Amino acid sequence: SAVISQKPSRDICQRGTSLTIQCQVDSQVTMMFWYRQQPGQSLTLIATANQGSEATYESGFVIDKFPISRPNLTFSTLTVSNMSPEDSSIYLCSVVGRSYNEQFFGPGTRLTVL
Amino acid sequence: AQSVAQPEDQVNVAEGNPLTVKCTYSVSGNPYLFWYVQYPNRGLQFLLKYITGDNLVKGSYGFEAEFNKSQTSFHLKKPSALVSDSALYFCAVRDGVTGGGNKLTFGTGTQLKVEL
Repeated sequence: SAVISQKPSRDICQRGTSLTIQCQVDSQVTMMFWYRQQPGQSLTLIATANQGSEATYESGFVIDKFPISRPNLTFSTLTVSNMSPEDSSIYLCSVVGRSYNEQFFGPGTRLTVL
Repeated sequence: AQSVAQPEDQVNVAEGNPLTVKCTYSVSGNPYLFWYVQYPNRGLQFLLKYITGDNLVKGSYGFEAEFNKSQTSFHLKKPSALVSDSALYFCAVRDGVTGGGNKLTFGTGTQLKVEL
């Protein structure tokens, strides 16, 4: 299984500011994803982070609000821009394992927007 | 479109008793099914998966799940619950035929509470 770390683990931010979350994997992976878990709710896929090209966003999520970078096969960042209290969530990085049938998740970044 | 339903927000079980956490799914192709567990302030941990083969799948920590194609269900089970099993459990599905781009769709989660 892949070991995934995220920074920061949690943060409290002011409305209107931006936060960049980092995801680091201990091995090269083909597919990386970013999910959001709003309080008391399930996980929702934000986007697929593509190495060397623009991320693929799911319906309801846009690049201006959630810019994503993936400079190589072990690292990605998600920025939550112009934050509002509705952005308070846990943001999770996820990667697909070698078998393509297993998906692993990072520990998450707990974001609170005041 | 693929979807997952977890009809119970919470399941309460006494320690030592068997537990079942329910999950039903909908996909247009063959289902790839997964269970994950989330402990407080932790990320999701993979428990088990069904891709093909035996309908009864065994996973981590003594958990197992039974794939039932006719009922489109994939219920999570454990013969004897432990207090340490108390956590939030998520069922997830991916469409195996179309690939779904490895896109997992999650259920809303079931909070399992095991009491002494």
